[in-house]
Amino acid sequence: KAGVTQTPRYLIKTRGQQVTLSCSPISGHRSVSWYQQTPGQGLQFLFEYFSETQRNKGNFPGRFSGRQFSNSRSEMNVSTLELGDSALYLCASSPGTDTQYFGPGTRLTVL
Amino acid sequence: GEDVEQSLFLSVREGDSSVINCTYTDSSSTYLYWYKQEPGAGLQLLTYIFSNMDMKQDQRLTVLLNKKDKHLSLRIADTQTGDSAIYFCAETPRGGGADGLTFGKGTHLIIQP
Repeated sequence: KAGVTQTPRYLIKTRGQQVTLSCSPISGHRSVSWYQQTPGQGLQFLFEYFSETQRNKGNFPGRFSGRQFSNSRSEMNVSTLELGDSALYLCASSPGTDTQYFGPGTRLTVL
Repeated sequence: GEDVEQSLFLSVREGDSSVINCTYTDSSSTYLYWYKQEPGAGLQLLTYIFSNMDMKQDQRLTVLLNKKDKHLSLRIADTQTGDSAIYFCAETPRGGGADGLTFGKGTHLIIQP
């Protein structure tokens, strides 16, 4: 089975712009979670989707949003980018159990 | 709130055993995980243990869980240069994956020749 894929792998944006990141889960997995990884804060949970519904959201501002499609693929969007949004954004898929399998991440740099 | 604590660095000699320790606070966690992250890569699931188990062994990896002390450890036998990475301990708060995993800050494993 192919693993979790994320596109693009690298992005450079400027402050104020918006960005959309994409994640394709492992085939058959219906749950997709997103995490932000920074040197200062470590790994922090953004949100989780299951069957196109957001089931939970971490402690992030409303500029961070996401969605899931009927094929379980997910996107996350960050609007009005700030310098502090520079991070590695990781997507994880799960078959519905608690075990999560991570993709390679998208490295976002905000200038 | 939930918190997971790990030492930041561990240095071992090649061929020795590495023991990475973690403490967690959420006693309702159903699963506890160890992930490995190599430079520029995502997180690789190494192993996990269910909260009603004390020990799990998988080839060179041994996980020990002490629920009373909320202490989790990962032992890597015969440590190799390819084991050099950051190791993250994670728990599922409130027993549900939908709430997201809570991670420690990670332990940098440094291998000395």
